[in-house]
Order: sequence, then C-alpha cells, then structure tokens
Amino acid sequence: QKEVEQDPGPLSVPEGAIVSLNCTYSNSAFQYFMWYRQYSRKGPELLMYTYSSGNKEDGRFTAQVDKSSKYISLFIRDSQPSDSATYLCAMRETGNQFYFGTGTSLTVIP
Amino acid sequence: DSGVTQTPKHLITATGQRVTLRCSPRSGDLSVYWYQQSLDQGLQFLIQYYNGEERAKGNILERFSAQQFPDLHSELNLSSLELGDSALYFCASGWGQPNNEQFFGPGTRLTVL
Repeated sequence: QKEVEQDPGPLSVPEGAIVSLNCTYSNSAFQYFMWYRQYSRKGPELLMYTYSSGNKEDGRFTAQVDKSSKYISLFIRDSQPSDSATYLCAMRETGNQFYFGTGTSLTVIP
Repeated sequence: DSGVTQTPKHLITATGQRVTLRCSPRSGDLSVYWYQQSLDQGLQFLIQYYNGEERAKGNILERFSAQQFPDLHSELNLSSLELGDSALYFCASGWGQPNNEQFFGPGTRLTVL
C-alpha cells in the first residue's frame, strides 16, 4: 500500500464549477499537508500548506484536513481554464521527507 | 520562474551508461532536494542536502548518488542506467527547515534507451 493515494483522474469540469480534489493516506504520523500545482513540462509549485487538522482558505482555494479519517481535500471555487493542471498532494511527518500523491489531472473547459 | 535552474533539460542515453544532472538553487537557499517523477510512481523523494551535507534520504537507489558543492549547487549522478530509470528528475531548493517551502526547478527529462 502506498503512503499516499490520489485518484489520477483525469477530471474535466466546465468553467465556473467547484472542483474537489482528494487524497488519502495511511501514516497517522503525518502532520503537515500540502497541495502543489504542476503545469505541463514545469516543476510543481506550492498552492496550500496546512498543519494538522482543519481548513485553510486562500482566495478561490480551500484546503481541508481530516486526520481522523486520514483524508485531505482541495476545493477550487469558480474554476478557470488557467487552473487546468495536475494537482499533487504531499505530506510529511516532522522530518524533511515529503511523500507525494501521483497527481490528479484537471481540465477546466471554457 | 522559481529561480532554480537545472541542466540539461533533456538527456537521452543507453542502458548501462552514467549521467550527471545539475541543479543550481535559488540565491540564499541552503538546501537542495532531488525527486524522481515517473508516470506510475508519481513524485518520489530521493535525497536532501543542506549546506553541503546529506540531511535526509528517501527512495534513492544505490546506483544513484548526489552531492552538494561549496557554492551550493548540486549534482545527481545516475549510473548503470536501466530502462526503468527513464523519468523526470526535479531539483527543489529551500531554506532547509521542514516548515519552509520548496521551490522546484523545471526538471531534467531522462530517457534511457
């Protein structure tokens, strides 16, 4: 079993839709949770960074962490064509090793 | 542009060969992380260096090695290459503390034929 599981999609939504992206994990020691966005042929860029359980909002993006269920989510409101990318979840314990999901490919159709 | 540079952008080589990937971190960043990204495995952490010293090790094969030089640039050496080593190799840099963000470079695409 992988440490982090993420549905690869692909996910296709119309412009303006609310997008929900999810990851599950098996290691209860994970404390830090991140979402990265990766455009084609580019390196990942950090979108959201959350410590422990709870919600964090940044503009159109909301990250949720439910440690009891070992489940994290990223919501994108009013999705735009420019949001079309692969979204990677990542998490770690207290050390420096990050564990990434395989990524979900998202296409927002104008 | 993240400020992290990686060379070369593309590399095509044959099985059994050895290659070196190079990474220059953002100005001021002391730490360099190496990752391998393949379609089936996703992004896999390989190794981290902080100010010249190895800080953390992930799923790095014994055929792979890395180092960070006094000017803070880093090299990832891949030897006895196999077809399965074909992947995107990313370098990221940061201050090196766990809570600090990692900034990813554009990656090196390695193809082993």
